[in-house]
Amino acid sequence: DAGVIQSPRHEVTEMGQEVTLRCKPISGHDYLFWYRQTMMRGLELLIYFNNNVPIDDSGMPEDRFSAKMPNASFSTLKIQPSEPRDSAVYFCASNPGTTPEAFFGQGTRLTVV
Amino acid sequence: QKEVEQNSGPLSVPEGAIASLNCTYSDRGSQSFFWYRQYSGKSPELIMSIYSNGDKEDGRFTAQLNKASQYVSLLIRDSQPSDSATYLCAVNNYPNTGGFKTIFGAGTRLFVKA
Repeated sequence: DAGVIQSPRHEVTEMGQEVTLRCKPISGHDYLFWYRQTMMRGLELLIYFNNNVPIDDSGMPEDRFSAKMPNASFSTLKIQPSEPRDSAVYFCASNPGTTPEAFFGQGTRLTVV
Repeated sequence: QKEVEQNSGPLSVPEGAIASLNCTYSDRGSQSFFWYRQYSGKSPELIMSIYSNGDKEDGRFTAQLNKASQYVSLLIRDSQPSDSATYLCAVNNYPNTGGFKTIFGAGTRLFVKA
């Protein structure tokens, strides 16, 4: 298996623009997580899905952030409008639902200027 | 109070020494505990998991858990320069309901000097 695949790896955008981050989980994994990592706040859980259904979105910072999982093999995290304080590395992770360990993608480094 | 707390470091140890990394957590319902290693510019990777009080050894790594004190630690014996990374402590309450929600600490940076 290729592991969790995220795209793009790097994104630079201007303040106010819409940003869409994409994730393909490991095949057969029932859980998908979106995390954000910054130096100041560390690795924060934004939202997670079980069988494509959002279970807990309490970590989503504000309404500018939204996440979807239309099918078992694809999820998006959208920021609209983006702000400089959204600059961070965004990680997607998946989990098979039989053990609690998370498997991470390579991350998307987002810079909002 | 943060849910999972770690000293941010950096922790600097000479090659061959024992590195000791510590973590405390606030949720007494936590059941599963993990240490992830993250190299600069890379994603976190799981290196140890522990579910019951006591010690768990895997090669040069030993995880220690004390649920009464809400304390988890990671010992790295015979530290190598390749161990230089950020170590993230993580917890969840698997296998209880909602147990796949994993909360991470901010991480401790470790430097192993050759």
